[in-house]
Amino acid sequence: DQQVKQNSPSLSVQEGRISILNCDYTNSMFDYFLWYKKYPAEGPTFLISISSIKDKNEDGRFTVFLNKSAKHLSLHIVPSQPGDSAVYFCAAPLTGNQFYFGTGTSLTVIP
Amino acid sequence: DAGVTQSPTHLIKTRGQHVTLRCSPISGHKSVSWYQQVLGQGPQFIFQYYEKEERGRGNFPDRFSARQFPNYSSELNVNALLLGDSALYLCASSVSGTGGIINTGELFFGEGSRLTVL
Repeated sequence: DQQVKQNSPSLSVQEGRISILNCDYTNSMFDYFLWYKKYPAEGPTFLISISSIKDKNEDGRFTVFLNKSAKHLSLHIVPSQPGDSAVYFCAAPLTGNQFYFGTGTSLTVIP
Repeated sequence: DAGVTQSPTHLIKTRGQHVTLRCSPISGHKSVSWYQQVLGQGPQFIFQYYEKEERGRGNFPDRFSARQFPNYSSELNVNALLLGDSALYLCASSVSGTGGIINTGELFFGEGSRLTVL
C-alpha cells in the first residue's frame, strides 16, 4: 500500500521560475515529513523537513507547506536553478526509522 | 568526515545465488537502515538495526536478512536471488533509532549498491 504518493512523475520548469512539487499521504499517524533530493548515481540527500505542528517551513529557496486536513504537502523552490534538476522524494517516518517514500518527481530546470 | 559508505557499488549475480552487501555508517551513528529502490519507484524499507538489534522489518521475504556489528557497520544478505531482486540497495544511517520530530529523523544515505540479477 502506497502511504505516501507523488502523482507527478516529472516536472519541467524554466530557470528563475517557481517549482512546485506535490505529495499526498494517507496515514494520519505521520507527524513528520521530509523531502529528499537524489542525483543520478548518488544516494538521496536530505533537503528540508516539517513537523505536523507547523504548516510551513522555509530554508532559503526551499519552502515546504503542510495541509494536514487535506493530507497534502508541497515543496516550493524559488527561484529554480538548473542545479536543482534531480529526483525529489517525499518521505514520512512511522515507527523507528521506517520511512515511507513516495515514488519521486523528476524535476528538470531548463536554462 | 566520511559519509555512509557502501560496497560493492555494482554487482551482477545470477538467479539462485546469494549476495552480501556492506555498509559503514557515519561515525557516531548507531542506527542503520536498508532500503530497496526498484527503478521508477521510491525506496522501500527492508530493515532497521539500532545498537545491534533489529528494530524494524519491512514486507520482504525471509530470503532477506541483515545484521549489525559492534562497530555499527551492517550487512544485508539476500539468498536465492530472483530477477525481481534487481535494484539499488541503499543503506542509511542516523544518530538515533527513532524517527519523528524528537530525534531529528533524518536519514543519511550512501550511494547504494546496484544489484543486477540475470
